[in-house]
Amino acid sequence: DAGVIQSPRHEVTEMGQEVTLRCKPISGHNSLFWYRQTMMRGLELLIYFNNNVPIDDSGMPEDRFSAKMPNASFSTLKIQPSEPRDSAVYFCASSLSGQGDSPLHFGNGTRLTVT
Amino acid sequence: GENVEQHPSTLSVQEGDSAVIKCTYSDSASNYFPWYKQELGKRPQLIIDIRSNVGEKKDQRIAVTLNKTAKHFSLHITETQPEDSAVYFCAASIQGDSNYQLIWGAGTKLIIKP
Repeated sequence: DAGVIQSPRHEVTEMGQEVTLRCKPISGHNSLFWYRQTMMRGLELLIYFNNNVPIDDSGMPEDRFSAKMPNASFSTLKIQPSEPRDSAVYFCASSLSGQGDSPLHFGNGTRLTVT
Repeated sequence: GENVEQHPSTLSVQEGDSAVIKCTYSDSASNYFPWYKQELGKRPQLIIDIRSNVGEKKDQRIAVTLNKTAKHFSLHITETQPEDSAVYFCAASIQGDSNYQLIWGAGTKLIIKP
């Protein structure tokens, strides 16, 4: 089991550019989550999917953020246009089910720096 | 909505001593309480969890206690070691709720002094 795989590990971009973060969940897991982590705000849930369907995107900060899950083994989080305040570590996590007691398995994260 | 408060924000203990981190929650319907450990530069990982039908759970040097009446739960680490240095997050959710709602505490930075 390779765990949750995220790419890239680091991304440095200039303000205004489009950024795409990628995630491959653990095979067999039905739920996928995108989190953002900063010193100021801690861990914030951006959006989560159950069986590839977005369930709750209330944490997505602005229309500049969008997420897709075209199939059970792949998801993307896109920021367009990016801004310096988007700088953070973005984690993808998956769980066996979308039930509240299903443990989360996190990827290694993508550290995004927007200059 | 649910709110989880975590204290202290930073905890420094001598190696070999015990460490206790406390969390309180607001929604009495919450019945699942996991703890995640995040080492510097790494991902959060589940270390222990407890459900509301038990008051205490142990796994080697770590234990979690739950007081449903007071709506608080605690993480206890005994005989602390350097590798215990990390940020610890508590969380609360409602087991079986199809509308996933895992509410996180702000985290506690645990420092183990040699």
